[in-house]
Amino acid sequence: QSVLTQPPSASGTPGQRVTISCSGSRSNIGNNYVHWYQQLPGTSPKLLTNRNNQRPSGVPDRFSGSRSGTSASLAISGLRSEDEADYYCAAWDDSLNAWVFGGGTKLTVL
Amino acid sequence: EVQLVESGGGLVQPGGSLRLACAASGFTVSSNYVSWVRQAPGKGLEWVSVIYSHGRTYYADSVKDRFTISRDNSKNTLYLQMNSLSVEDTAVYYCARGTDQGFDYWGQGTLVTVSS
Repeated sequence: QSVLTQPPSASGTPGQRVTISCSGSRSNIGNNYVHWYQQLPGTSPKLLTNRNNQRPSGVPDRFSGSRSGTSASLAISGLRSEDEADYYCAAWDDSLNAWVFGGGTKLTVL
Repeated sequence: EVQLVESGGGLVQPGGSLRLACAASGFTVSSNYVSWVRQAPGKGLEWVSVIYSHGRTYYADSVKDRFTISRDNSKNTLYLQMNSLSVEDTAVYYCARGTDQGFDYWGQGTLVTVSS
């Protein structure tokens, strides 16, 4: 059971906008930045967004993160087939003194 | 260019030990925080341990008192000493560089299989 809760799956058609949610608590999302990671099949995770809504260089602006209270979300607009991957949220937890990850969301592009 | 290269994975019997290494280049391990994150076959990411620039270390409850994270500044290398291994520790182990922006660089991972 992950400390951060994500839906196990999400789907959309090309061009569509999809959002993936991440629910936590005050000790993690409520107090600290949320990061989102993309893991394409057979590859290492890749940082998608940081400090809640900033993208590392090279990450398309189709990806955007947001936070409200103890929840966060990742939005992907203009969905493409290459976006089919697993997506994870992560944050530092002040109570656990640990980094915590969500269980991951498998995105399918129909 | 920042690179992280893990090594040391392999097959080990339950109760055994293994030491993983993560050779870093393009940055100094002592100037950033670096973590180990693992992924069991077909499962999600699980954070394992972190060592901060000031030397403080933290561990996931699942590995506390069994795993030890350390670094060799002269070799610019991160280590994970894993003792009392169980089948539940079977996973690909990644090292990842942390900044105030998140884990921005990841290694390719090394597979640890615990089996009799």
